[in-house]
Amino acid sequence: QKEVEQDPGPLSVPEGAIVSLNCTYSNSAFQYFMWYRQYSRKGPELLMYTYSSGNKEDGRFTAQVDKSSKYISLFIRDSQPSDSATYLCAPTYNQGGKLIFGQGTELSVKP
Amino acid sequence: EPEVTQTPSHQVTQMGQEVILRCVPISNHLYFYWYRQILGQKVEFLVSFYNNEISEKSEIFDDQFSVERPDGSNFTLKIRSTKLEDSAMYFCASKGGRGNQPQHFGDGTRLSIL
Repeated sequence: QKEVEQDPGPLSVPEGAIVSLNCTYSNSAFQYFMWYRQYSRKGPELLMYTYSSGNKEDGRFTAQVDKSSKYISLFIRDSQPSDSATYLCAPTYNQGGKLIFGQGTELSVKP
Repeated sequence: EPEVTQTPSHQVTQMGQEVILRCVPISNHLYFYWYRQILGQKVEFLVSFYNNEISEKSEIFDDQFSVERPDGSNFTLKIRSTKLEDSAMYFCASKGGRGNQPQHFGDGTRLSIL
């Protein structure tokens, strides 16, 4: 079983839609959960991160972690064409530890 | 906003040659990382560096690879004898030392081995 799994998509939605992006992971030792956004030929750009289980909201973005089911979600409200990118979940074990990336989900928001 | 900068943006090298990829992490950050992304694949961890030594490395990071922080601002990745399969995007990341701070990435160096 892969450590972190994401549906690679592509996922295509109309502008204004609510988007749900998800990851599952296998290692219960993960404590920190990151979401990065990656545009073509660019580096991963940090969107949000959470520690342990729970929700975190930042503007149109909400991150959810359910450690009991090893399930990570990112919700985007009122999606915009500028949100079109690949979204990467990346949990890690500890403060200075390596990130374990999922495959990434390619999102396309159509005007 | 401070950012991680990487040079060059694209490096073309003959197989068997040595290559050095350069990174300037965010000032005052204490943890440094290299990752790579082969075209169409996921981002993979190579090595982490803290307090002037390697803290963790992956099985990809074999004897061909080395890292160095030659001064207070640069962080380099050297590949001694490049192979075709080393062709990838290489990303540098850095992280502050306080609390649960996340890693911040540069825009990468695209390495093409001919």
